Amino acid sequence: EAQVTQNPRYLITVTGKKLTVTCSQNMNHEYMSWYRQDPGLGLRQIYYSMNVEVTDKGDVPEGYKVSRKEKRNFPLILESPSPNQTSLYFCASGRPWDTGELFFGEGSRLTVL
Amino acid sequence: ELKVEQNPLFLSMQEGKNYTIYCNYSTTSDRLYWYRQDPGKSLESLFVLLSNGAVKQEGRLMASLDTKARLSTLHITAAVHDLSATYFCAVDRDDKIIFGKGTRLHILP
Repeated sequence: EAQVTQNPRYLITVTGKKLTVTCSQNMNHEYMSWYRQDPGLGLRQIYYSMNVEVTDKGDVPEGYKVSRKEKRNFPLILESPSPNQTSLYFCASGRPWDTGELFFGEGSRLTVL
Repeated sequence: ELKVEQNPLFLSMQEGKNYTIYCNYSTTSDRLYWYRQDPGKSLESLFVLLSNGAVKQEGRLMASLDTKARLSTLHITAAVHDLSATYFCAVDRDDKIIFGKGTRLHILP
């Protein structure tokens, strides 16, 4: 089954404790992206990747890191989480320049205390 | 800077009525997307519009694109309760895909 898998789905953590949200896709997509969703703000792009070893900042990259060592994986790293990073995070993959659509993961709800 | 604005942000309507959601964007774009999100769920692709004048329809939903006006519309015909959801438009420019804030649609029986 074609899918984008995120883990963990839910996480409560404390300020400053490094965490990683994993994202994996099995559709051989070159393009992957991370978004955060906050009430009233819609989805805002954090980072995106056009292919392995190619990553670029989105609109809200501060406080986040990503890596793309393999085509299927695109982890989101919060080195020192802060309460303003409490949010719902979505990973997506696709071929925007080809079929156009993005496929989204189920989301990861992160709470930073 | 690419900005994407949706109107309205919230819409409550009766079943059987027609309505339109508008999506304006600030600079030229390669593609425009419409997504649906049910409460507590992920996003699901509805339409991808690739060129000026493009029109796509699926059931009671029809999307159109006017690249000259930088405007896309999502038209709902004879709304039914199952269409209650949040609808997002998104625009693609230079490999960034920027989303609007979403239109929360509530259809009353």
